[in-house]
Amino acid sequence: GAVVSQHPSWVICKSGTSVKIECRSLDFQATTMFWYRQFPKQSLMLMATSNEGSKATYEQGVEKDKFLINHASLTLSTLTVTSAHPEDSSFYICSARAALNTEAFFGQGTRLTVV
Amino acid sequence: QKEVEQNSGPLSVPEGAIASLNCTYSDRVSQSFFWYRQYSGKSPELIMSIYSNGDKEDGRFTAQLNKASQYVSLLIRDSQPSDSATYLCAVLQGGKLIFGQGTELSVKP
Repeated sequence: GAVVSQHPSWVICKSGTSVKIECRSLDFQATTMFWYRQFPKQSLMLMATSNEGSKATYEQGVEKDKFLINHASLTLSTLTVTSAHPEDSSFYICSARAALNTEAFFGQGTRLTVV
Repeated sequence: QKEVEQNSGPLSVPEGAIASLNCTYSDRVSQSFFWYRQYSGKSPELIMSIYSNGDKEDGRFTAQLNKASQYVSLLIRDSQPSDSATYLCAVLQGGKLIFGQGTELSVKP
């Protein structure tokens, strides 16, 4: 399958600071990238869908001013968690696909801990 | 009603047996269906994709799709302890990939 690289794999930050997570498609051009959040023992919850060059579409209940998503190129999307709080601690995973109705491949995930 | 539903399990099968995982979805117009495997602490990895009614086989895995019943399943033949993981059903709906809650599979040696 295609390779999606996510960085960092884990991060610890202080409450009130911002954290940026990068997601890169290494061997294909990703027209769409998805950002998910997963709490322990729960399934993946879609946070937002981003298409290259346009604004991200956020799911209901996800604060767009808190979770900033940028998809400036066909190989890179970033998620910035602004003013992080302990309740934002979670496993954040990106996924990328080349075209509609094709498989989506996942990055390794980022475990965020806010202290 | 959840958009994508799976039994959370755990499903326990002995080594060498067939594991059967089931998934139903609510959006009739969905056309693309996927099975992912997720080990604890890791991100999901794609096992199978299926787009047409019927069966699709890949090694020990067989995906089955019945659009009339809005049902998709995954069979794992000759289950191995290394297959122990959470299996996630995903459905493409309106351009978004929506996941079920996952079924935890445990294969006992």
